[in-house]
Amino acid sequence: DAGVTQSPTHLIKTRGQQVTLRCSPKSGHDTVSWYQQALGQGPQFIFQYYEEEERQRGNFPDRFSGHQFPNYSSELNVNALLLGDSALYLCASSTWKGGGYTFGSGTRLTVV
Amino acid sequence: KQEVTQIPAALSVPEGENLVLNCSFTDSAIYNLQWFRQDPGKGLTSLLLIQSSQREQTSGRLNASLDKSSGRSTLYIAASQPGDSATYLCAVSELRGAQKLVFGQGTRLTINP
Repeated sequence: DAGVTQSPTHLIKTRGQQVTLRCSPKSGHDTVSWYQQALGQGPQFIFQYYEEEERQRGNFPDRFSGHQFPNYSSELNVNALLLGDSALYLCASSTWKGGGYTFGSGTRLTVV
Repeated sequence: KQEVTQIPAALSVPEGENLVLNCSFTDSAIYNLQWFRQDPGKGLTSLLLIQSSQREQTSGRLNASLDKSSGRSTLYIAASQPGDSATYLCAVSELRGAQKLVFGQGTRLTINP
């Protein structure tokens, strides 16, 4: 049973560029959430998708956007990258009706 | 606004000791609480999930308790091993459906052989 799959695992981008991160949820899960984790910190909630709609959003600027596809997979897009966007980006899947989360291994984004 | 605090931030103990990690949260209106393990540079591995109606959960050498009224949870690790070395994160889910997780900063645990 495949867990949560994220791609790519590592990424280096230049300030001002745009990036797209991808996530495939665990089989049977219909809800995808994205988190940003800076070094030495706990993950911070970016947003959550269910039924292809953004359901809740954390305190992140509009440069962060996302999408969920009919097969429940999701993308996180970040425009106009800043040095401060360097972090581990984690995708988590769950079921809308409740229960625990399953996290992917993350994408390490470095902005130079 | 929900805030989650984990104490201590770091802990180093010799192999074989039993230990307790603490987690506190400011708003008792939670749906569930989850403990995760994170190895350096890796994703999160779920250890235990406690629903708000439960008092504790056990898995092997791990036992997590939840006291919702006082806003506290503890993770007890019995007979610690060097392989237990990792960062342990506590997170609360506030509302069913919304399911946003609020994390603590984590406790970095080192088990010395």
